[in-house]
Amino acid sequence: TQLLEQSPQFLSIQEGENLTVYCNSSSVFSSLQWYRQEPGEGPVLLVTVVTGGEVKKLKRLTFQFGDARKDSSLHITAAQPGDTGLYLCAGGTATNKLIFGTGTLLAVQP
Amino acid sequence: NAGVTQTPKFQVLKTGQSMTLQCAQDMNHNSMYWYRQDPGMGLRLIYYSASEGTTDKGEVPNGYNVSRLNKREFSLRLESAAPSQTSVYFCASSERPPTQLYNSPLHFGNGTRLTVT
Repeated sequence: TQLLEQSPQFLSIQEGENLTVYCNSSSVFSSLQWYRQEPGEGPVLLVTVVTGGEVKKLKRLTFQFGDARKDSSLHITAAQPGDTGLYLCAGGTATNKLIFGTGTLLAVQP
Repeated sequence: NAGVTQTPKFQVLKTGQSMTLQCAQDMNHNSMYWYRQDPGMGLRLIYYSASEGTTDKGEVPNGYNVSRLNKREFSLRLESAAPSQTSVYFCASSERPPTQLYNSPLHFGNGTRLTVT
């Protein structure tokens, strides 16, 4: 069974701080998606990365797919209260399934 | 633009009761999915439907049944609810088939929070 472990599980920071969230596995994934879920809502796709070593930027968010396609990171610069939410990674497997990670709950205090 | 609509938003059941969770999408997507979300476990796939008239089991199908009523609607039924089914249930749809989710976003509804006592 392929697992995606996210760390940290919880993160509470002050507005303006930087942070990095990690998504790790011992398995290789064909792609890696990142979703953000706000309280009381469903997850919304932020980005998809498909190539080992790929880096994508979305305003203050930087996503990286590991060279070996076993891990990914999400870095947020100058966090804002609007960044608060549950961040989920999801990996595409060789059998064309989508496996979700365990999630990182981020709280940005004003 | 409503996207994916789920009803009800909240439900409390007693052990052994049955209920149906409703889901409808207005994006003309062929593929629809039911997930459950539990703390520290991410999202787990219960059932999915690649197209109208077809359904397939996901990772955790036991205790559930589904119906793809038409292209828009995909319902999830709990025949005899158990406390282990206490969870938040999400319906989702995608433009591409389940085998191409690596390159296609899932569009989620806002969930149904179910408590079984």
